[in-house]
Amino acid sequence: EAQVTQNPRYLITVTGKKLTVTCSQNMNHEYMSWYRQDPGLGLRQIYYSMNVEVTDKGDVPEGYKVSRKEKRNFPLILESPSPNQTSLYFCASSLSLPGQGNEQFFGPGTRLTVL
Amino acid sequence: TQLLEQSPQFLSIQEGENLTVYCNSSSVFSSLQWYRQEPGEGPVLLVTVVTGGEVKKLKRLTFQFGDARKDSSLHITAAQPGDTGLYLCAGGRFSGGYNKLIFGAGTRLAVHP
Repeated sequence: EAQVTQNPRYLITVTGKKLTVTCSQNMNHEYMSWYRQDPGLGLRQIYYSMNVEVTDKGDVPEGYKVSRKEKRNFPLILESPSPNQTSLYFCASSLSLPGQGNEQFFGPGTRLTVL
Repeated sequence: TQLLEQSPQFLSIQEGENLTVYCNSSSVFSSLQWYRQEPGEGPVLLVTVVTGGEVKKLKRLTFQFGDARKDSSLHITAAQPGDTGLYLCAGGRFSGGYNKLIFGAGTRLAVHP
């Protein structure tokens, strides 16, 4: 089954404790992206990757890091989480640029709470 | 201020009613997508429109892209409880060196039996 998986689905942590949210897709997609979703603000892009070893900042990259060592995986790293990073996070993938009308497939989301 | 404004923010209706939700901007988009998101899940693509004035139908859902490609609407006929969810529009726009997708904040629809 074609899908995007994220782990963990739920995470409660404390300020400053490094964490990684994993994302994996099995569709051989070139483009992958991380979004955060907050009430009233919709989905905002954190980072994106157009291919292996090619990553770039989205609209809200502060406090986050990513890597793309393999085509299928795109982990999101929070080196020193803060309470303002409490949010619902989505990983997504598409064959090519979603802004050109390509379908973007989303993972089920990771709900992160930083105390 | 959102680049893409969706209205209404919330909509609560009875089964069988018709409804329209709107997605408006002052910017031109190369494409416009509509997604539906259910609780505990990620958004799922419903439709992509790319041509000004384009109309697409998906069963009881009708999507329209404005002539100037700045706005879009989603009309649902005879709404059913299964239509309940968060409806997101997303526009493709060239920014920062590539064609990116910008999301609206969404319209939360509740259809009651």
